[in-house]
Amino acid sequence: QSALTQPPSASGSPGQSVAISCTGTSSDVGGSIYVSWYQQYPGKAPKLLIYEVNKRPSGVPDRFSGSKSGNTASLTVSGLQADDEADYYCASYAGSNNAAVFGGGTKLTVL
Amino acid sequence: EVQLVESGGGLVQPGGSLRLSCAASGFIFSNYWMSWVRQAPGKGLEWVAKINQRASEEYYVDAVKGRLTISRDNAKNFLYLQLNSLRADDTAVYYCATEASFRFDFWGQGSLVTVSS
Repeated sequence: QSALTQPPSASGSPGQSVAISCTGTSSDVGGSIYVSWYQQYPGKAPKLLIYEVNKRPSGVPDRFSGSKSGNTASLTVSGLQADDEADYYCASYAGSNNAAVFGGGTKLTVL
Repeated sequence: EVQLVESGGGLVQPGGSLRLSCAASGFIFSNYWMSWVRQAPGKGLEWVAKINQRASEEYYVDAVKGRLTISRDNAKNFLYLQLNSLRADDTAVYYCATEASFRFDFWGQGSLVTVSS
């Protein structure tokens, strides 16, 4: 149950697009449709943004999109806005024991 | 409106015990798998444990097996986490969350557990 690998930081200017990667193995990210993404502001609870690789819950703007290729999933934030500045986490089925595993998190800065 | 409200956190000495509670409302609690996810200060999220709707299945991350126990009371709409033999690296904010197919839809505000002498 090793944590998924995310870059510690990412940045972009308002209006631009930025992609955040989440790398696992063929046992977790690569072998599962159950990849999700969360947004977390400091001192707040996480919020679900994307589930099952590329599905958005009701109320999440379509500026947020997800994809997966091999053992790496990606979250793309388009049309960056100031309030997109937050921490982003990926999660996946861990591949065994009905367990889930999170990524280490990426701090997104809007320049 | 879905609400999850954790309570029971606090300061505990190494080796001590604590029980966290999570009060659920605004949804049919007994229909959902439930999980605990923790976050150490300044660190990332870590899934800790999950329990099925009827409390007949429990799963844990390896790091807490034998020390933490998840349970639920569907009649009272409560989720619990019993923490025993606590260590400094158990210090974290503990969140309860609904879980469906390894996604966490709704989260509580968290309860801080600090393990220190």
